[in-house]
Amino acid sequence: DSGVTQTPKHLITATGQRVTLRCSPRSGDLSVYWYQQSLDQGLQFLIQYYNGEERAKGNILERFSAQQFPDLHSELNLSSLELGDSALYFCASSEDPGTSGRGEQFFGPGTRLTVL
Amino acid sequence: AQTVTQSQPEMSVQEAETVTLSCTYDTSESDYYLFWYKQPPSRQMILVIRQEAYKQQNATENRFSVNFQKAAKSFSLKISDSQLGDAAMYFCAYRETSGSRLTFGEGTQLTVNP
Repeated sequence: DSGVTQTPKHLITATGQRVTLRCSPRSGDLSVYWYQQSLDQGLQFLIQYYNGEERAKGNILERFSAQQFPDLHSELNLSSLELGDSALYFCASSEDPGTSGRGEQFFGPGTRLTVL
Repeated sequence: AQTVTQSQPEMSVQEAETVTLSCTYDTSESDYYLFWYKQPPSRQMILVIRQEAYKQQNATENRFSVNFQKAAKSFSLKISDSQLGDAAMYFCAYRETSGSRLTFGEGTQLTVNP
């Protein structure tokens, strides 16, 4: 158990809908990262937040957005869902802002999103 | 942009034997981190081992060790005394020291035969 929690574990929804994925980082970690794992794209970095502020952005679609709250939990919002958005979405956390420390990121169990 | 390549989509090994998984990467940076993550059927991403580029000594964690060749931009993972529980997808990952994101390779599916 990495200490990172994600809810829900599974999510099934229809095209055009909007969903919210939730992540709680390890105790003491200020950085949260979101990754998408799909069959055709592999594991891709989406976005990072550090202590409530966006720190880095990757291949995140405009239909997707994220935020980190004062209690450090993060939410990833996916809207106007398409079949191709079906994937495993991981949240990871680290104790540093990504620019120092051991560089390790600890992953949650993931949320499996299925868009029908 | 940095890229990570794992040229072996699948590997197999007999229980108790040794197997080596390959990884190469492309970067113009001199300082960075390299990682191997394991993803078993549960889909959980588990950190196996890490290496800092400025350290010449290869990292080891129990039965897991790496062969880090900085000039060749190669970072292979050796698993000794393979166990059935080692069966998983293994991902090589890169992170700049000054950056935040992990860049992953395509993964190698390891099968351990009893």
